[in-house]
Amino acid sequence: DVKVTQSSRYLVKRTGEKVFLECVQDMDHENMFWYRQDPGLGLRLIYFSYDVKMKEKGDIPEGYSVSREKKERFSLILESASTNQTSMYLCASSSGLLAYEQYFGPGTRLTVT
Amino acid sequence: QKEVEQDPGPLSVPEGAIVSLNCTYSNSAFQYFMWYRQYSRKGPELLMYTYSSGNKEDGRFTAQVDKSSKYISLFIRDSQPSDSATYLCAMSVRGSTLGRLYFGRGTQLTVWP
Repeated sequence: DVKVTQSSRYLVKRTGEKVFLECVQDMDHENMFWYRQDPGLGLRLIYFSYDVKMKEKGDIPEGYSVSREKKERFSLILESASTNQTSMYLCASSSGLLAYEQYFGPGTRLTVT
Repeated sequence: QKEVEQDPGPLSVPEGAIVSLNCTYSNSAFQYFMWYRQYSRKGPELLMYTYSSGNKEDGRFTAQVDKSSKYISLFIRDSQPSDSATYLCAMSVRGSTLGRLYFGRGTQLTVWP
């Protein structure tokens, strides 16, 4: 069974903290993605990666960075968390051959106070 | 203007009704058209995909693509309470192994018994 796991289901952080969200996939997928999902705004792409150490900005990269040191792991970093980064964060992965099918993790509900 | 537009609803129908969900898009380079289903507190999962124009049927679900009108639809026949979820349309450009998808905002559907 294919699986994308995220390090936490719920996370509470204070303004200004550095926050790491981890995502691991066990499907040997080339592509990995970070989205945030907010009511009324839908899924918005933050960053994606098509290979180890490669990254591309999505639609809303400001305030975020990413790291992909191993094929199976993709990390999202909030350098200095702010209250407007309170959101549901979803990680996804896909293969290069069947790129239209993304597999999503269960999400991390991040609250920044 | 977003590249993919989707009415967020919410949509509430009785069990057994036929449901029609729709998206419009502006980028004529889109060739893959997907519908994802997201249950509450879960990540989205691929429900159906269609390449280029035409219809595709899978049990009670039918996906239609009209590229001339830049319009896609998902029909659910004999809807069930278990169909209650948020449905997101998604699209991608042909030949993109990077796998970037462009999502609509999602339509929240409730099927009541």
